[in-house]
Amino acid sequence: QQQVKQSPQSLIVQKGGISIINCAYENTAFDYFPWYQQFPGKGPALLIAIRPDVSEKKEGRFTISFNKSAKQFSLHIMDSQPGDSATYFCAASMGVSGSRLTFGEGTQLTVNP
Amino acid sequence: DTEVTQTPKHLVMGMTNKKSLKCEQHMGHRAMYWYKQKAKKPPELMFVYSYEKLSINESVPSRFSPECPNSSLLNLHLHALQPEDSALYLCASSTDPFGNIQYFGAGTRLSVL
Repeated sequence: QQQVKQSPQSLIVQKGGISIINCAYENTAFDYFPWYQQFPGKGPALLIAIRPDVSEKKEGRFTISFNKSAKQFSLHIMDSQPGDSATYFCAASMGVSGSRLTFGEGTQLTVNP
Repeated sequence: DTEVTQTPKHLVMGMTNKKSLKCEQHMGHRAMYWYKQKAKKPPELMFVYSYEKLSINESVPSRFSPECPNSSLLNLHLHALQPEDSALYLCASSTDPFGNIQYFGAGTRLSVL
């Protein structure tokens, strides 16, 4: 019940295309859903996050879509650029003391020039 | 400034050595975390400190010993490690009490020979 399932494992997109990464969860107590971006040799960096009372959040080229009834959320990267090539982790957490981030397994995104 | 600084960046140690990893943040965050990350995997939580007290220990072997000397500093003392402990060790800090928004350092790449 604590798992977050992420797909695909790897994704190759042409420059200018749309990258889509999907995540699904079981635990309905999760109430915060961040996405982290990690470049090789660096730590993960918070990219964008959403709470379940919102169905979509957009920040620049990055959009989270959230489907509470399906218990799924996804990251869309519009106009993908080679500089977006990185590993993306979805995560979920509960708004209670002692909570921790539950990460998906990660998606390695490659954007070809 | 949202920086979490980790030193050293790289560490090679033998199985009988004692070494320490250091993490520092000056954002006033009162929660700090140690994670272990293997290649192509998400970060795995090891320890959580909240207000300088150990609040979560994810059943980590005693050869890893965390320490939080003050609100800005977090150490991880290493002793008698095994080759399978080779990984990227990440420190993170969080301003919110539930750890929803975490800022990660770049990590220490540890190799145990």
